[in-house]
Amino acid sequence: GDSVTQMEGPVTLSEEAFLTINCTYTATGYPSLFWYVQYPGEGLQLLLKATKADDKGSNKGFEATYRKETTSFHLEKGSVQVSDSAVYFCALSHTGTASKLTFGTGTRLQVTL
Amino acid sequence: EPEVTQTPSHQVTQMGQEVILRCVPISNHLYFYWYRQILGQKVEFLVSFYNNEISEKSEIFDDQFSVERPDGSNFTLKIRSTKLEDSAMYFCASFRAATNEKLFFGSGTQLSVL
Repeated sequence: GDSVTQMEGPVTLSEEAFLTINCTYTATGYPSLFWYVQYPGEGLQLLLKATKADDKGSNKGFEATYRKETTSFHLEKGSVQVSDSAVYFCALSHTGTASKLTFGTGTRLQVTL
Repeated sequence: EPEVTQTPSHQVTQMGQEVILRCVPISNHLYFYWYRQILGQKVEFLVSFYNNEISEKSEIFDDQFSVERPDGSNFTLKIRSTKLEDSAMYFCASFRAATNEKLFFGSGTQLSVL
């Protein structure tokens, strides 16, 4: 079956550091890939998505590229801020409409001054 | 931005008791979901609901679980006789239609079964 594997956290970075959170997946066919973020006390929010190979999703300075050859969708940001502290979830969906999602475990990011 | 609202934020119950987790999806959404996350594990799909019936459910969603949209605004998850392993964060989500790919999640209900 489908699965998503994320790097374990927590990840602790200083403000303005470069962020990478690794995500790899196992799935048949050509799933859509997503990053969701959960800020403290809030629900999961869609951060970015990519629906086909070599697509790059981007939002709020975060980027991730759909790499079919390595089955990866790593999340990157060039300069993190304290306000980026949250839990980040990688996910995939076969429906194309992002309804039934297969998630990873989530990676907690803590950004300090 | 519209929100999915879940209540309560924390629920503590004794093993064997029934619990009802409540969700108010976004008002013009048509598709509703429950997910859960056991501490340290992955977020797992439980069930999807459309047009007043279950459209899909996972292996986790056994006879102890049920969902209902009792009044056109609330969407509830009932666990009939809770077990220790039901302790988890439960997320409700809603979604409007096929053309809108964005799934909106609530902030979750942390269920602790003692």
